[in-house]
Amino acid sequence: QVQLQESGPGLVKPSQTLSLTCTVSGGSISSGRHYWSWIRQPAGKGLEWIGRVFTSGSTNYNPSLKSRVTMSLDTAENQFSLKMTSVTAADTAVYFCARGSGMATIYFWGQGVLVTVSS
Amino acid sequence: QSVLTQPPSVSGAPRQRVTISCSGSSSNIGSSSVNWYQQLPGKAPKLIIYYDDLLPSGVSDRFSGSKSGTSASLAISELQSEDEADYFCAAWDGSLNGQVLFGGGTKLTVL
Repeated sequence: QVQLQESGPGLVKPSQTLSLTCTVSGGSISSGRHYWSWIRQPAGKGLEWIGRVFTSGSTNYNPSLKSRVTMSLDTAENQFSLKMTSVTAADTAVYFCARGSGMATIYFWGQGVLVTVSS
Repeated sequence: QSVLTQPPSVSGAPRQRVTISCSGSSSNIGSSSVNWYQQLPGKAPKLIIYYDDLLPSGVSDRFSGSKSGTSASLAISELQSEDEADYFCAAWDGSLNGQVLFGGGTKLTVL
């Protein structure tokens, strides 16, 4: 059974870069017809897809976030990461990492990590 | 405001059946399969329906999904208190270089 665990700073200052890592266990990040996603959820609100990175390293990003987001794989550590630049309070949310396949089917989710943007 | 539209809330008594709708357009539901997720308070979402109407292993067959045109529905029969949760639909949208869209979510209350 694949398991995912997010890690990273819980507090980021406005205008700085948010960096999160997702550690995958129970399977190799570089094998299979999967992709690795980041999804976020502001408190009391709905889910927002941030983007995904395929095992090939290619990416798809939410058009509204594309200019600020970078995702990548670290196959040696079996991890993938999210970097989001120029954050504001609107980026405060629980961030989930996840594994999907097909067009939009997310089968496995991490537990989520709260990131607060505040000075 | 989500492109996939869901009712903010639905409710039902135990043992009743409820449905949750998800309305989209030709660029998403009309041309892509729909997935449904259940989110219990304080937890990560859980896949309960994929490819419009398929149940993942381990998910109760009280859950069922359907799709027609640019709309989809999730039905929950024989409601139980443990079904009280938020439910989200999701689909791939082929416009603007593509993205996954989620519905705004529906809060199910078991009376």
